[in-house]
Amino acid sequence: GAGVSQSPRYKVAKRGQDVALRCDPISGHVSLFWYQQALGQGPEFLTYFQNEAQLDKSGLPSDRFFAERPEGSVSTLKIQRTQQEDSAVYLCASSLGGAGGIAYEQYFGPGTRLTVT
Amino acid sequence: KNEVEQSPQNLTAQEGEFITINCSYSVGISALHWLQQHPGGGIVSLFMLSSGKKKHGRLIATINIQEKHSSLHITASHPRDSAVYICAENTGNQFYFGTGTSLTVIP
Repeated sequence: GAGVSQSPRYKVAKRGQDVALRCDPISGHVSLFWYQQALGQGPEFLTYFQNEAQLDKSGLPSDRFFAERPEGSVSTLKIQRTQQEDSAVYLCASSLGGAGGIAYEQYFGPGTRLTVT
Repeated sequence: KNEVEQSPQNLTAQEGEFITINCSYSVGISALHWLQQHPGGGIVSLFMLSSGKKKHGRLIATINIQEKHSSLHITASHPRDSAVYICAENTGNQFYFGTGTSLTVIP
């Protein structure tokens, strides 16, 4: 079956541009996560959705970052006025559940590599 | 602050060697995940465990909840095992990742 897909796979943006990164989770997966992975580092949590509700956005680094999942399936991570420090791989993952401390396996997308010049 | 530490950071092994990667975490968890990341970014979940031991093929993962420590073992390592191995602690809805162990297996 189809896994998690992300688009675009690569994005080059000029400093100051806005970008939108898309994530298509596995159908039926309730939970969706966004992570930022800098070169040579492990992923860092950005935000979490349970269905359409954004339950945790504590990892978003600034108010230039905005995520939505309006119908509880596809999610978009938007970065406004991009800066060079935003250059990273942005990973999306989905899982069947995740609420209330119950752990579920995460399925990762291939990531979007964002380069801000 | 949740901290996940892995060791070693880099590991080079000869084909056939037994490999151990260690992970320590700082807070109570719902589960501990071991992930594999190949060059190009794709991440695959290897194990999710909250107690004891799990085995899948040549991979074995163990966890000691009292000591907040987990290990990933690879038996009879092969060059195709070369990748970055990341452990992540899952606490509620939050995931905290280690920086990864880069493994290179030489033929």
